[in-house]
Amino acid sequence: GQQVMQIPQYQHVQEGEDFTTYCNSSTTLSNIQWYKQRPGGHPVFLIQLVKSGEVKKQKRLTFQFGEAKKNSSLHITATQTTDVGTYFCAGRTGNQFYFGTGTSLTVIP
Amino acid sequence: DTAVSQTPKYLVTQMGNDKSIKCEQNLGHDTMYWYKQDSKKFLKIMFSYNNKELIINETVPNRFSPKSPDKAHLNLHINSLELGDSAVYFCASSQVRNGEAFFGQGTRLTVV
Repeated sequence: GQQVMQIPQYQHVQEGEDFTTYCNSSTTLSNIQWYKQRPGGHPVFLIQLVKSGEVKKQKRLTFQFGEAKKNSSLHITATQTTDVGTYFCAGRTGNQFYFGTGTSLTVIP
Repeated sequence: DTAVSQTPKYLVTQMGNDKSIKCEQNLGHDTMYWYKQDSKKFLKIMFSYNNKELIINETVPNRFSPKSPDKAHLNLHINSLELGDSAVYFCASSQVRNGEAFFGQGTRLTVV
């Protein structure tokens, strides 16, 4: 069945270091969304990517959608303690969104 | 004003019981969803409703049944609760099907 995997599962970084999480799908995706879930919180929508090769930026966050529309990445520049949380991608195939396995980010002050 | 609200926030119950979780959205969205997040934080969609029609029904046990009295509400009923049902259940809504989803605060269900 459809699977959306993310790596790494966990990442610890020193504050100020960069962070990247990768999302890989077994099938071609129509589009992809990214969400952030703070500890004890609920997922919050960050962005949606639709086009092949698309790159979008939100301040220190850079999102990419692969050319083949099977993978995506989220890069955070100069992490801050407020970046702590789990980052999920969610890829759309047909009428369904499949959430990735998530990457849990810890930022050490 | 909370956009997507769920009640209760916490639910502890014994095996075999029947329970319901309520969800309401005041965003005027057309689609609502139920997700299950297990202890490893895996998020899995269970159901979605669009204009009171069930449009996605993942392979969840038929002990779980969504009920939507109107567009703003999507309740989750669970019969004969099992230990494996323990998880956090999130309700969500979106303006259009598969659009940006707004999640509720979650209901932590513990079956003992």
